[in-house]
Amino acid sequence: QVQLVESGGGVVQPGRSLRLSCAASGFTFSKYGMYWVRQAPGKGLEWVAVIWYDGNKKYCADSVMGRFTVSRDNSKNALYLQMDSLRAEDTAVYYCATWFYPSSWGPDYWGQGTRVTVSS
Amino acid sequence: QSVLTQPPSVSAAPGQRVTISCSGSSSNLGSNSVSWYQQLPGTAPKLLIYENNKRPSGIPDRFSGSKSGTSATLGITGLQTGDEADYYCGTWDSSLSYVFGTGTKVTVL
Repeated sequence: QVQLVESGGGVVQPGRSLRLSCAASGFTFSKYGMYWVRQAPGKGLEWVAVIWYDGNKKYCADSVMGRFTVSRDNSKNALYLQMDSLRAEDTAVYYCATWFYPSSWGPDYWGQGTRVTVSS
Repeated sequence: QSVLTQPPSVSAAPGQRVTISCSGSSSNLGSNSVSWYQQLPGTAPKLLIYENNKRPSGIPDRFSGSKSGTSATLGITGLQTGDEADYYCGTWDSSLSYVFGTGTKVTVL
């Protein structure tokens, strides 16, 4: 079955960088698009980024454009989120998710998340 | 920041039925299908419904979805205490972004 495990979260100072990883297993990773979604403490879900199965298309939310970069390594079954110039408002649990059902066009199966805290 | 509007909360007694609405616009729900997610306290979201009314394997038929125009609805019948959770709708927007609803907390009385 689909398994997604995020890592790389932690406490970081404003303006610094962090790289999140998502290890995928249980499905053919190279055939599926992938998402990053975040959830600030006590808040709702916020889409962060999506990357197509082959990495040729990527889109990011306006709130992270120019600061966050999504990428993937299909040879390693891994998804990444490079987060630069972090701000306090980036504090959240970050989830990776797979776009498993082609007709959904959305995040279908989710990992358990990794917490990022931006604080001085 | 959410462009999809949901009621903040709904409640009903065990065994009853609840519905959750999701209202959008022509740029999102009006032209794309909707998914619904359940988030139990302290856990990751889980897909309940995709492409308006399809249930992934393992999701009971107590959960159903529909969409008409720029609105969508999630229905839960035979409400159970284990259904207490936050529920979100989600869909693509023409701005090349994925948008979520504001979220609805379901309480079983």
